[in-house]
Amino acid sequence: QLQLQESGPGLVKPSETLSLTCTVSGDSVSNDLYHWGWTRQTPGKGLEWIGSIYYSGITYYNPSLKSRVTISVDTSKNHFSLKVTSVTAADTAVYYCQRLPSYCSGDYWGQGTLVTVSS
Amino acid sequence: QSALTQPASVSGSPGQSITISCTGTSSDVGGYNSVSWYQQHPDKAPQLMIYGVTYRPSGVSDRFSGSKSGNTASLTISGLQAEDEADYYCSSFTSSITYVFGTGTRVTVL
Repeated sequence: QLQLQESGPGLVKPSETLSLTCTVSGDSVSNDLYHWGWTRQTPGKGLEWIGSIYYSGITYYNPSLKSRVTISVDTSKNHFSLKVTSVTAADTAVYYCQRLPSYCSGDYWGQGTLVTVSS
Repeated sequence: QSALTQPASVSGSPGQSITISCTGTSSDVGGYNSVSWYQQHPDKAPQLMIYGVTYRPSGVSDRFSGSKSGNTASLTISGLQAEDEADYYCSSFTSSITYVFGTGTRVTVL
């Protein structure tokens, strides 16, 4: 059974860097059928696609976030990570990781983790 | 990239059919057969209901169906049930090799 689990600090100070990891079980991040990605949801609002990565390291990012976002993959640990720099209150959201087959933005999702940006 | 446009809310009585629209551009919805629909219950992760415009993942009820015409995709829920009350989001692949989500629709079962 495929499972994805987000982990990382739930509170980040303004101007600092948000760092999250998604640990995958039941599949391999090296599986060449899939990309692995991140989506966020601000409280009471809609979904925003952040970006994705292929096991080879090829990345794709939302243009509106591209300057502040880095997604990386560690095949030895079977996980992938998200970094968002220079965060503000607007980055407060539930962050989800997901597996992306070629035909959609996510067939399996993690349960999500709330990250609050506040001093 | 701009979010795809969905109605804020749609409602129906049990047993009725409802349709949710998702309008984009020729650079996303209209240009690719990669439209997906997600159901999200409160405090839960989104669940894939439709992919590739019309395909249902294993385990999803056949009461859910998808279609597309031009730059607008649609999700139809037939035989509406209380458990269908949730938020629904569309998503599309884009010409920038990214994905974009819709603004979301709250479905209420009267």
